Amino acid sequence: SQELEQSPQSLIVQEGKNLTINCTSSKTLYGLYWYKQKYGEGLIFLMMLQKGGEEKSHEKITAKLDEKKQQSSLHITASQPSHAGIYLCGALGYNFNKFYFGSGTKLNVKP
Amino acid sequence: ETGVTQSPTHLIKTRGQQVTLRCSSQSGHNTVSWYQQALGQGPQFIFQYYREEENGRGNFPPRFSGLQFPNYSSELNVNALELDDSALYLCASSGQLPPLEQYFGPGTRLTVT
Repeated sequence: SQELEQSPQSLIVQEGKNLTINCTSSKTLYGLYWYKQKYGEGLIFLMMLQKGGEEKSHEKITAKLDEKKQQSSLHITASQPSHAGIYLCGALGYNFNKFYFGSGTKLNVKP
Repeated sequence: ETGVTQSPTHLIKTRGQQVTLRCSSQSGHNTVSWYQQALGQGPQFIFQYYREEENGRGNFPPRFSGLQFPNYSSELNVNALELDDSALYLCASSGQLPPLEQYFGPGTRLTVT
């Protein structure tokens, strides 16, 4: 089965600071998905990365997938209180019929 | 707003009872997945339905079962509830396999006492 390890487990940053969240897979990924979840609510899709070395950005969030397709990072520039929440990485199983999530990174942004 | 709805929002059941949770996918989405999320953990994949057939299952016992209907709605049924079944249950729909994006509903919070 696919295992995804996220680090750090939690993060508290001052507003305006940059931060990075990492996701490491035990196997080569078909695709790596990033989601954001507000406490106790549904997940919001952020980005999906498929190709080794791929990088995508949306507003102040940038996600990268390494060349070997086993590690991804999510970088937030100039963090704001609205960025607070739980960030989850996810991946498809090799038969595309299962989906795995990391345990999440809880982000708090202090005004 | 993803267009995916779930009902009920909250539910309290007693150990040993049965429960049915419902999900309405986005129109045109022929794939629905169900997840269990315990407090402080990432979602755990329960199963996936594609065109009304189960085509993938996580490590959940048979007392977790599902149905998908032609009108883009689906159900998650859990029999013989246990205390550990207390969790947030999420459904997600997508329009293709493999999914480029999954659209999640807001979840149903199930408490088993």
